Amino acid sequence: GENVEQHPSTLSVQEGDSAVIKCTYSDSASNYFPWYKQELGKGPQLIIDIRSNVGEKKDQRIAVTLNKTAKHFSLHITETQPEDSAVYFCAASGGGQFYFGTGTSLTVIP
Amino acid sequence: GAVVSQHPSWVICKSGTSVKIECRSLDFQATTMFWYRQFPKQSLMLMATSNEGSKATYEQGVEKDKFLINHASLTLSTLTVTSAHPEDSSFYICSARATGRAGAYEQYFGPGTRLTVT
Repeated sequence: GENVEQHPSTLSVQEGDSAVIKCTYSDSASNYFPWYKQELGKGPQLIIDIRSNVGEKKDQRIAVTLNKTAKHFSLHITETQPEDSAVYFCAASGGGQFYFGTGTSLTVIP
Repeated sequence: GAVVSQHPSWVICKSGTSVKIECRSLDFQATTMFWYRQFPKQSLMLMATSNEGSKATYEQGVEKDKFLINHASLTLSTLTVTSAHPEDSSFYICSARATGRAGAYEQYFGPGTRLTVT
């Protein structure tokens, strides 16, 4: 089955700096890669996703890149703000269940 | 759009009792809903996949007689934790996948239910 690894597990950045979280996957059949933001005590919220026919997708300060050959994808947050502090999860799917990464706790220091 | 609700948001129950958690898709129809369990500072663990009108598919190691799932309509799935014990205390989260959109992989998550068994 699919195996998704996520790094780093914790990340602290100064407000205004960029944050990058990386995930790798093992199953070449995976073709959908969402990113979720989870605040304490709440459910995950979809923030951006990418499909395997696209190499990059951007939505304001958030971008995701995908390298199918290397089987890795990354979340990029620019101009970070304190409200970006949360746990971020990547996931991979081939159309069925999602396989989640272990999560990255992002802290943006004001 | 794509709002999923859960009820209750938190519940405390005594050991041996049963608890029902509801998951509703508010503004879309969901043929498939998923139930996850999350321990503190850990990732989401898929418990079961629920398809409307059919029996749920449980992941390995999840007791189907303990975690009863019913998906009676395109907007409602329920998880019942039967004969709850303290080790069942956890954060339970549902998600829903929209119906009728080809290649629609997106899962939208509910806000979660914190279950504490005393």
